[in-house]
Amino acid sequence: DAGVIQSPRHEVTEMGQEVTLRCKPISGHDYLFWYRQTMMRGLELLIYFNNNVPIDDSGMPEDRFSAKMPNASFSTLKIQPSEPRDSAVYFCASSLRAGATNEKLFFGSGTQLSVL
Amino acid sequence: SQQGEEDPQALSIQEGENATMNCSYKTSINNLQWYRQNSGRGLVHLILIRSNEREKHSGRLRVTLDTSKKSSSLLITASRAADTASYFCATDANWGRRALTFGSGTRLQVQP
Repeated sequence: DAGVIQSPRHEVTEMGQEVTLRCKPISGHDYLFWYRQTMMRGLELLIYFNNNVPIDDSGMPEDRFSAKMPNASFSTLKIQPSEPRDSAVYFCASSLRAGATNEKLFFGSGTQLSVL
Repeated sequence: SQQGEEDPQALSIQEGENATMNCSYKTSINNLQWYRQNSGRGLVHLILIRSNEREKHSGRLRVTLDTSKKSSSLLITASRAADTASYFCATDANWGRRALTFGSGTRLQVQP
């Protein structure tokens, strides 16, 4: 298995532009998570899905952020409009059916986002 | 806020020495996990310990859990230069949000 696949690996954009991050979870995993990592705030959970349904989006910073999971093999995290404070590494992770916390997470390599 | 906090924030040791990292958390948990992150990469799961377990081993890793003190430790024995990475504990609160919350991490540098 190729693991969790994220794209792009790096994204540089200007303030106000729309940014779309993509994630393909491991096949058969029912849970998908989006995390954001910064030096100041560490790893923060943004949102997670179970069977393509958003379960908890309380970590999404504001309305500028949105996430979708149209099918079991694809998810997007969109920022519109982007701001410099959104600069961070965004990770996607997936886990098996046993539950959101009883199983280990498999992380993608992340997307390094820089908003100028 | 962070559920788990690691201590120390940074640790530098010589190859062959043991490295101990600690994690404290605030609320009751179902399990606690440790992850490693190499520079520029995603996190990799190392070990999971359940709330009814006190100690667990995996290769050169030894994890302890003290639920009365709300703390855990990760011991890496006979460290190698390849162990250089950041190490994070992650907890699931057994209430509310049912997703892992990560600590701030310990940066381990193993000098060859």
